[in-house]
Amino acid sequence: DADVTQTPRNRITKTGKRIMLECSQTKGHDRMYWYRQDPGLGLRLIYYSFDVKDINKGEISDGYSVSRQAQAKFSLSLESAIPNQTALYFCATAGGPQETQYFGPGTRLLVL
Amino acid sequence: AQTVTQSQPEMSVQEAETVTLSCTYDTSESDYYLFWYKQPPSRQMILVIRQEAYKQQNATENRFSVNFQKAAKSFSLKISDSQLGDAAMYFCAYTPLPGGGADGLTFGKGTHLIIQP
Repeated sequence: DADVTQTPRNRITKTGKRIMLECSQTKGHDRMYWYRQDPGLGLRLIYYSFDVKDINKGEISDGYSVSRQAQAKFSLSLESAIPNQTALYFCATAGGPQETQYFGPGTRLLVL
Repeated sequence: AQTVTQSQPEMSVQEAETVTLSCTYDTSESDYYLFWYKQPPSRQMILVIRQEAYKQQNATENRFSVNFQKAAKSFSLKISDSQLGDAAMYFCAYTPLPGGGADGLTFGKGTHLIIQP
């Protein structure tokens, strides 16, 4: 089984709708991240959580919110989706002896 | 702010040959961590190789090796004996803190690697 999972894998929604992207991990890492990938732009940080009590905004947090329900779960919400939030969204965890980031499979979101 | 630059949007190489992907970065830190990630069409982000700036020895992982030039702030990836499965987007990434810290990883825009059979 994958160590970092994301649901859904693909989602189509309409402008103005609220949606939630979920991330779960079995790696036992405290640190979790949400990134966004746009064509030609690499990945950019949306939010970071050090643990369940610690949430930090990243470079592009406007229009997004997060919830760290448990060490293993970190959700990203779009309160009112807009078309320029169409992108590929990645969850990642960080830890281990090599202090490396491990990515989920990504969620492709299309906002019409 | 740190920046990571990948100057080659696309590279092409014949199968079994060697290819080098370029990456430069800008930082005022003396200790930091550099990564190469591979993103195949499946879109999964896969760690290829990791380099710690305080280590002078270049990291290697099987057919993948890096040329880390700290003074030049350069971190290139060499893929030897290229295989069709190496075809993917390759991203260079930087962080001053182990695992990424509060700023996460800073990524370059990627290089699309094509393997010609």
